[in-house]
Amino acid sequence: SAVISQKPSRDICQRGTSLTIQCQVDSQVTMMFWYRQQPGQSLTLIATANQGSEATYESGFVIDKFPISRPNLTFSTLTVSNMSPEDSSIYLCSVGDREYGNTIYFGEGSWLTVV
Amino acid sequence: GDSVTQMEGPVTLSEEAFLTINCTYTATGYPSLFWYVQYPGEGLQLLLKATKADDKGSNKGFEATYRKETTSFHLEKGSVQVSDSAVYFCALGATDSWGKLQFGAGTQVVVTP
Repeated sequence: SAVISQKPSRDICQRGTSLTIQCQVDSQVTMMFWYRQQPGQSLTLIATANQGSEATYESGFVIDKFPISRPNLTFSTLTVSNMSPEDSSIYLCSVGDREYGNTIYFGEGSWLTVV
Repeated sequence: GDSVTQMEGPVTLSEEAFLTINCTYTATGYPSLFWYVQYPGEGLQLLLKATKADDKGSNKGFEATYRKETTSFHLEKGSVQVSDSAVYFCALGATDSWGKLQFGAGTQVVVTP
């Protein structure tokens, strides 16, 4: 299985600022994804982080608000830009690789509160 | 598009009771199906999975069988413990893009002593 580390684990952010979340995997993986879980809600896919190219965003999410980087096969970042209270959520990184079969693993999440 | 429908919670049970959480799906093709669990204040953990029809996933006393004829993947446990209190998510693997998951709404389970 993959071991995924996310930083920060929790943060309280000021309205209008930006925060970058890091996701580090202990092995090379093909696929990395970013999800958002708003309070009391289910998970929604933000984007697929593509290694060496621009991320692929889902409907309703845009690069200007959620820029993503993936410089190599073990690391990705998600930035939440110009935050508002509506961005208060858990942001989760997930990874998958066909070497792991059809299993998708999740990090512990980054719990952001925007005040 | 693909979708997952999960029974609403909260589900409140006494310790040692039988637990069922219903999950049905709509998808083209033959998706992989997953159950994830989220304990209070924690991230998401894979509980079990099934990759093809009639597969049974099992872990920690939980079971779910991939039923193609009823497009279902219901989660069951014969005797719950207080430590099973959590939110349970049914998820479907996208058939057109490997690795992407479509989640159900989640079902909160509360087990009382």
